[in-house]
Amino acid sequence: NAGVTQTPKFQVLKTGQSMTLQCAQDMNHEYMSWYRQDPGMGLRLIHYSVGAGITDQGEVPNGYNVSRSTTEDFPLRLLSAAPSQTSVYFCATRTGAGEQYFGPGTRLTVT
Amino acid sequence: AQKITQTQPGMFVQEKEAVTLDCTYDTSDPSYGLFWYKQPSSGEMIFLIYQGSYDQQNATEGRYSLNFQKARKSANLVISASQLGDSAMYFCAMRELAPKSYNTDKLIFGTGTRLQVFP
Repeated sequence: NAGVTQTPKFQVLKTGQSMTLQCAQDMNHEYMSWYRQDPGMGLRLIHYSVGAGITDQGEVPNGYNVSRSTTEDFPLRLLSAAPSQTSVYFCATRTGAGEQYFGPGTRLTVT
Repeated sequence: AQKITQTQPGMFVQEKEAVTLDCTYDTSDPSYGLFWYKQPSSGEMIFLIYQGSYDQQNATEGRYSLNFQKARKSANLVISASQLGDSAMYFCAMRELAPKSYNTDKLIFGTGTRLQVFP
């Protein structure tokens, strides 16, 4: 099992560009989420999904879109990147009992 | 609303000594879970220990124990016999275990404590 995979590992964008951060899991977990991690801010929840077709906003959803068409995939879209979105992004899944599994992270820089 | 507070941005401890990392939480839900994660410099998030709000005993996992004081709403992590490899960021997190709806089913993190273990 690969667990939770994220691509790319690193990305540099120019302001205004769009991109999609990919997240995939092979554990058949219903719950998936995206966090961003900034120095001194901890991990903040961006969006999450409790199953295919169901998504909702977390603490810091502005500037990001998500969709969940399959159990396995939960992509995060930046429609028009801004320097404030420079961060490390983590995708995570969770079992029904609450054990959370994190992906390795994507380090995004917006110039 | 749920909230996790970690008031120690950084802690130092000598190797082989014990250290306590503080975590206080706020929730109106009677059923919740508390988690601690370790993030080494390599960046991955590593699950350490879990405590349920109805658990009668404090959780322990090897050198990690959770000092759960429900009335004070605190869930401090105690690391015994610190090792150099324990140097990392540590995050406390909380989740409601019986959310009223899916949009309250979230894992909320504190801002973290950076632990440095010196020889």
